[in-house]
Amino acid sequence: GNSVTQMEGPVTLSEEAFLTINCTYTATGYPSLFWYVQYPGEGLQLLLKATKADDKGSNKGFEATYRKETTSFHLEKGSVQVSDSAVYFCALSLVQTGANNLFFGTGTRLTVIP
Amino acid sequence: EAGVTQFPSHSVIEKGQTVTLRCDPISGHDNLYWYRRVMGKEIKFLLHFVKESKQDESGMPNNRFLAERTGGTYSTLKVQPAELEDSGVYFCASRREGSYNEQFFGPGTRLTVL
Repeated sequence: GNSVTQMEGPVTLSEEAFLTINCTYTATGYPSLFWYVQYPGEGLQLLLKATKADDKGSNKGFEATYRKETTSFHLEKGSVQVSDSAVYFCALSLVQTGANNLFFGTGTRLTVIP
Repeated sequence: EAGVTQFPSHSVIEKGQTVTLRCDPISGHDNLYWYRRVMGKEIKFLLHFVKESKQDESGMPNNRFLAERTGGTYSTLKVQPAELEDSGVYFCASRREGSYNEQFFGPGTRLTVL
């Protein structure tokens, strides 16, 4: 089936620390991969995406590389800020099916302290 | 461009009562999705509309849930009668036809069944 496994939280880091949130997936086809972020009191926002192997998605200093050989899409940021405190969700979709619904991981809550 | 809106933001009801959630997608987005996140677990797909038609309702948990999208604009999700396990956050998302990679999410409705 289709599923996403991501690192359990919560994660607490000091400002300017390096962040990695692990994400691995299983898929019945060739998925597109996403990271969504939910800031306190807000809805889910697309943070970055990658649609094929070896693609790197990047946005706001965050990066993730689509690794087909390890079925992974780990999220990284070199220097986190307090404003990055949020819940991060890894997700996949199978565009070929036409439905395009998303399969999500459980979410990882990140807290950045000054 | 206005984003996806959902109403209400919170709802607290007793077991056995009925609740109706509403989602207004981004104007012009034919695709509308409902998802649910039960506390601490992954966000799960419920169903997908294309205009007013249900494209995929494989994620609907049981027949106590009824989704409609009359006229292909806003959508409602009714839970009748509500059970304790229905508590969670219900998200709505919309996507423009042809844009296969990005769904825009609303802020969610937090439903608590007592």
